[in-house]
Amino acid sequence: DGGITQSPKYLFRKEGQNVTLSCEQNLNHDAMYWYRQDPGQGLRLIYYSQIVNDFQKGDIAEGYSVSREKKESFPLTVTSAQKNPTAFYLCASSRDRNRELFFGEGSRLTVL
Amino acid sequence: RKEVEQDPGPFNVPEGATVAFNCTYSNSASQSFFWYRQDCRKEPKLLMSVYSSGNEDGRFTAQLNRASQYISLLIRDSKLSDSATYLCVVNVATGGFKTIFGAGTRLFVKA
Repeated sequence: DGGITQSPKYLFRKEGQNVTLSCEQNLNHDAMYWYRQDPGQGLRLIYYSQIVNDFQKGDIAEGYSVSREKKESFPLTVTSAQKNPTAFYLCASSRDRNRELFFGEGSRLTVL
Repeated sequence: RKEVEQDPGPFNVPEGATVAFNCTYSNSASQSFFWYRQDCRKEPKLLMSVYSSGNEDGRFTAQLNRASQYISLLIRDSKLSDSATYLCVVNVATGGFKTIFGAGTRLFVKA
């Protein structure tokens, strides 16, 4: 079955630690995205990538970093510079930027 | 003004009711339109794309009015399982494309 796999599903982190969230897709999609969702809030774009080895900042990129070394993979690192990292993180992909998005199941990060 | 605005909700309806959600968008460069459904603490899932001619999928009907910059979703014969948040999503041509999510409208269907 084609889809997007995010891991881990739940993650706890101490303040000051970097964590990396994994996102892998086997849909052969060119575009991949990371969104953040806070309770009762809409989705906010962190980073997106349209092709391998290229990515662009979204609306709330500060404190985050990404890489796109392979078409299938778009990991997100939440750095210690992110002041309020506790949130639900969603990875998505699409055939191109004017198409519908397909989401992974999300990673829920809690900072202790 | 937000680029994509939805009915604030929540909507509380009995089973079997017909419910309509509205969404307006402000950018005339908007190119493609979608409705997503998001269950509590889950990821959004595509419900349907919205086409200029309108489209229907079972109990769900989506319509687009480009002149008024307005999208709607109609759910007929509501089921308990329709309870969720419905997100209006618009892709805007901005040199590249930008995907804009509405804040969502929460629906509660009660027995």
